[in-house]
Parts: sequence; C-alpha cells; structure tokens
Amino acid sequence: DAGVIQSPRHEVTEMGQEVTLRCKPISGHDYLFWYRQTMMRGLELLIYFNNNVPIDDSGMPEDRFSAKMPNASFSTLKIQPSEPRDSAVYFCASSYRGGGAGYTFGSGTRLTVV
Amino acid sequence: GQQLNQSPQSMFIQEGEDVSMNCTSSSIFNTWLWYKQDPGEGPVLLIALYKAGELTSNGRLTAQFGITRKDSFLNISASIPSDVGIYFCAGQRGGNEKLTFGTGTRLTIIP
Repeated sequence: DAGVIQSPRHEVTEMGQEVTLRCKPISGHDYLFWYRQTMMRGLELLIYFNNNVPIDDSGMPEDRFSAKMPNASFSTLKIQPSEPRDSAVYFCASSYRGGGAGYTFGSGTRLTVV
Repeated sequence: GQQLNQSPQSMFIQEGEDVSMNCTSSSIFNTWLWYKQDPGEGPVLLIALYKAGELTSNGRLTAQFGITRKDSFLNISASIPSDVGIYFCAGQRGGNEKLTFGTGTRLTIIP
C-alpha cells in the first residue's frame, strides 16, 4: 500500500491567493482527518470525515477554510483567501473504524503564505 | 480541544542514554498510542496499548498503559541518532471516537 498520499509537498503562495491541498487516503479506510501543525499550537484537528461525510468541523479556524470529500479516495482542503498566519504544515490522516488502531498520516504539505 | 499533557516538552541527551517520557490526562482513556514524527514527515505509529497495566515493546522502545488509565509512559533504551524527532502520545476513549493527541516531546541527541 502506498500509504496516505498528499500533494503538493510544498506550496508557496502570495497572500490573498486560493490554496488547495489534496489527499488520497488508504484504500478501505473509512475515516479521514485534516490536521494543521505549527510550533506554537502543535497538532490541531481541523475537520474529519466518516464515509465521505463531514462529522466535525469545529476545528476549522474560519470561513476561509473549507474541506470536501467527493469520494472515498480523495479529499481537498481549500483556503481562500490565504493569509500569512495560515503558514503551517497540513497533514491528512486516515483510519479504519475510528482511532482504535491508530491513524496513518501522510507526509504533509508545508504551506508558506507570503 | 482537549490535549493530553506530555512531559518533558523537550529533551537533550547524549547518544547511548536512556529516555523516559510520559503523557497524562484528567480523564480515562481505553486505548493509548505512541507516535514518532521524523523531521519533515508525518507521525508514524510506534506502539499501541489496549489494556490497563499493559507493557509493550518494539525494539528498544517500551510503552506502558497506566493502571489508572489516565496516563502512559514511553521509554527508549540506548538512544541512537535516528531516535531524534517529536514523540506524540494519543488516547482514545472507545468505540469510533477520534484520537486526542498530546503536545509532543521533542528529542534531540547531542553529539
């Protein structure tokens, strides 16, 4: 299995631009999670899906952030418009039947907004 | 949201030393997990614990599920340079509930 695949690995964009991060979960996993990691705040859960349905988006910082999961093999996290304070590493993770056996994380997307 | 408290926040040790870190919570968890994050990568699962008092090893790593179910411990014996990274604990109360992650312990090995 190729694991959780995220793209791009690095993204540098100008303030105000739209940014789209992509994730392909492990086949057969029914949960998908989006996390943001910064030095100041550590790992923050932004949103998670079960069977492609958003379950909890209370961690999404503001309306500028949106996430979709159109099918079991693809999810996107979009920031529009982007701001410098959005600079962070964004991780996607997937799991089977919740968290009991742990999540498998992707390698992350390092976003820099200048 | 709630986070588990990990200590220490950071450790600076010499190669060959043993390492101990812990994770505490104000509430009970029924599953404890330990992850390691290498620089520039996502966290990777090291050890999973499912029973109070359980002691599980993975090579030089040993983790314990605390008897009270409110804490867990990770030990690394005879540290080597590739042990450098951030170690996260995570807990789950049960069922399909999502994981709660700790604040992380950053391990640095001094040459």
